[in-house]
Amino acid sequence: DTGVSQDPRHKITKRGQNVTFRCDPISEHNRLYWYRQTLGQGPEFLTYFQNEAQLEKSRLLSDRFSAERPKGSFSTLEIQRTEQGDSAMYLCAASGRGLGETQYFGPGTRLLVL
Amino acid sequence: DQQVKQNSPSLSVQEGRISILNCDYTNSMFDYFLWYKKYPAEGPTFLISISSIKDKNEDGRFTVFLNKSAKHLSLHIVPSQPGDSAVYFCAASAPGGTSYGKLTFGQGTILTVHP
Repeated sequence: DTGVSQDPRHKITKRGQNVTFRCDPISEHNRLYWYRQTLGQGPEFLTYFQNEAQLEKSRLLSDRFSAERPKGSFSTLEIQRTEQGDSAMYLCAASGRGLGETQYFGPGTRLLVL
Repeated sequence: DQQVKQNSPSLSVQEGRISILNCDYTNSMFDYFLWYKKYPAEGPTFLISISSIKDKNEDGRFTVFLNKSAKHLSLHIVPSQPGDSAVYFCAASAPGGTSYGKLTFGQGTILTVHP
């Protein structure tokens, strides 16, 4: 158990709809990352939070994507006006505060946009 | 620009033998390297890591070797077990700044260990 949970595990939506994913790390994880993985590729970095501050966003994160981490605890990733190209596994990882630099991943949310 | 490359898409090994997975990188700023294992429909599971100040790190059946001059690392699994069958990802990070800890992953290598 990595201590990182994600919800939902699977999401099927129609093109144009908005979706929101949630990631819950344990309190020791002050650093939180979102990645996206498509078939046959390794995970790609999307964004990074240190506590509640969003410190970096990848250029992969278009204007339709927004992430938040209120109070430095759980995080949400929202995709507005979904497109078929958004279909992927969205992974959350956390690290920090005595746990070192190793990032521990949650189980991921598999998104399918029809 | 693929900064971390795993050039072997797949590897097949007999149970009990050694599995060697390879990874090359181009960014000389990378100073921390990790290997993750991933099963379908699950998140990556951390296996082992190595800092650039070392050239070897060992944890049970897993050993990671780092050759900084060649910008190459490898993961050795000895002995290989059928339960090791999974996709293995190499990842790297560079120090400091607003990108702290951001991981760059390779494309993955599918390891199959036959009984």
